[in-house]
Amino acid sequence: QSALTQPASVSGSPGQSITISCTGTSSDVGGYNYVSWYQQHPGKAPKLMIYEVSNRPSGVPDRFSGSKSGNTASLTISGLQAEDEADYYCSSYTSSSTLVVFGGGTKLTVL
Amino acid sequence: QVQLVQSGAEVKKPGASVKVSCKASGYTFTSYGISWVRQAPGQGLEWMGWISAYNGNTNYAQKLQGRVTMTTDTSTSTAYMELRSLRSDDTAVYYCARAVEMATIDYWGQGTLVTVSS
Repeated sequence: QSALTQPASVSGSPGQSITISCTGTSSDVGGYNYVSWYQQHPGKAPKLMIYEVSNRPSGVPDRFSGSKSGNTASLTISGLQAEDEADYYCSSYTSSSTLVVFGGGTKLTVL
Repeated sequence: QVQLVQSGAEVKKPGASVKVSCKASGYTFTSYGISWVRQAPGQGLEWMGWISAYNGNTNYAQKLQGRVTMTTDTSTSTAYMELRSLRSDDTAVYYCARAVEMATIDYWGQGTLVTVSS
């Protein structure tokens, strides 16, 4: 069981918006602004999409945005495109002995 | 451009050890840390630990304490991860990644498949 809880799957049609949630506790997501989101296509290494809750690395389209409320972080993808179909993982710093925890991952399907 | 190139796939027997290398280029190696993350077949990502390339300080995931050692060689900009007393559930793709700070990974290696099987 992962430390951070994500929905197993979400789906949307091209052009639509979707949101993926990432729920933790006050010891991780709620207590620190070190939440990241990663995109992983099959057979590929993950790619950083959002860091420190809402910051986008250069080169990541502004269709991707992040936010946090309490113990839940969210990744929103607007204007869905076929190439957005992938697995998405959240991660957070945690005050527990584990130090960094990941969510279980969410499979995004673009219909 | 930032690149992390890992060593090739390994097949090991239970109880053996494996050492994976990760050669960095395109940035000042000692200005960042290196995190190691693994992914079992069909499963999610698991953080294994982090090492500062500046001073060698390490932090390991509690479940791997005592079995994992992370090191760096600043002369060759290479990081290493050694995992001992391998079990079948250690079968996974092992990734090295550049860490801006411990919790933020911005560039990943291509991954190294380690298979543990008798």
